Amino acid sequence: AQSVTQLGSHVSVSEGALVLLRCNYSSSVPPYLFWYVQYPNQGLQLLLKYTSAATLVKGINGFEAEFKKSETSFHLTKPSAHMSDAAEYFCAVSSNQAGTALIFGKGTTLSVSS
Amino acid sequence: EAGVTQFPSHSVIEKGQTVTLRCDPISGHDNLYWYRRVMGKEIKFLLHFVKESKQDESGMPNNRFLAERTGGTYSTLKVQPAELEDSGVYFCASSPGTSGIFSYNEQFFGPGTRLTVL
Repeated sequence: AQSVTQLGSHVSVSEGALVLLRCNYSSSVPPYLFWYVQYPNQGLQLLLKYTSAATLVKGINGFEAEFKKSETSFHLTKPSAHMSDAAEYFCAVSSNQAGTALIFGKGTTLSVSS
Repeated sequence: EAGVTQFPSHSVIEKGQTVTLRCDPISGHDNLYWYRRVMGKEIKFLLHFVKESKQDESGMPNNRFLAERTGGTYSTLKVQPAELEDSGVYFCASSPGTSGIFSYNEQFFGPGTRLTVL
């Protein structure tokens, strides 16, 4: 069985500050891990993914995440927040079998203030 | 290339009525998924089509939900009769066919249909 826990349903940062969104997973098989972002009135967009290659994964818009097996974590970071980063972020896990469904966390809403 | 499209974007219906949601995947994508997010909860998997066949429908909540994908192109999700707890956002996603058992294929999501049952 697989599950995802996102710590903090809301995170607020100032523009220019570090963004850290936390994600812990549980999986009985080698996982694939993902971060998706949803801007208002849009669909989910893939930010980055871990598929058992490099443990430090770089994504779009300056985001990156590190897969830590010992901590079962896949936290999302960005060194300097922009106003345009305000959105809802979802961590998801799937097995490494092609075509399997994604299991999502509850989402974290990021607010960025000027 | 057009992305995944969903219709309608919003639907408001009375309890007991029927609603049909439509998803058009990216052209050529064999895999089509339906997910649902009930307010305040996580996005949950409903079912997975490979072409016109249901590969996995373990997430379908009950027999009031019927999904079809005739001809392996667009898909419909019908809720009949709708209940209050069916309210939420229904997402559709598609991905290309698989090239190997451990191959990864990104799921591309549509904007969702927001369903409100009164």
